[in-house]
Amino acid sequence: DGGITQSPKYLFRKEGQNVTLSCEQNLNHDAMYWYRQDPGQGLRLIYYSQIVNDFQKGDIAEGYSVSREKKESFPLTVTSAQKNPTAFYLCASSIDPGGELFFGEGSRLTVL
Amino acid sequence: GESVGLHLPTLSVQEGDNSIINCAYSNSASDYFIWYKQESGKGPQFIIDIRSNMDKRQGQRVTVLLNKTVKHLSLQIAATQPGDSAVYFCAETPIHSNDYKLSFGAGTTVTVRA
Repeated sequence: DGGITQSPKYLFRKEGQNVTLSCEQNLNHDAMYWYRQDPGQGLRLIYYSQIVNDFQKGDIAEGYSVSREKKESFPLTVTSAQKNPTAFYLCASSIDPGGELFFGEGSRLTVL
Repeated sequence: GESVGLHLPTLSVQEGDNSIINCAYSNSASDYFIWYKQESGKGPQFIIDIRSNMDKRQGQRVTVLLNKTVKHLSLQIAATQPGDSAVYFCAETPIHSNDYKLSFGAGTTVTVRA
């Protein structure tokens, strides 16, 4: 079945460590996105990519990095520079930029 | 700044009643709107969308209404069921501009009472 796969679903990290969240899609979508969700809040855009080898900062990119070397993959690295990394991270894709988003099941990161 | 928001953070509904979830947006350039449903611990799922050239669109048990004059969007759920308990988000984007990222509101948590 086509869809978006995020891994790991749960992740614990010590302060000062970098961690990479995986996002893979087999929908053949050009655009991919990373959102952060905190309790009681909406989704905030971290980074997005409209096409392979290209990506742009979203509203809260500081402390995060991404790459888009393959169409189906858009990994997110949460670096030690991110002050409050504990959150629920959602990856999404769309056929083209601005279109309906298809979301993965999310990755919950907890910093100990 | 421009934002998308929902009027109420929570809504409690009796099973079988109709639900109405409201959303106000401030970006007058927005011309594409989507409602998403998010169940606990999962990613959001598409419910229904509407473009600015329409003021009403119906799906299965759901209706979205758009009032561009007052920049207001609503989602109506008919005969609410226990499975409708979730957080509902509205999202908007000006698809005819270069800034076509979806912006999300804070969400409304709907709880269905048996």
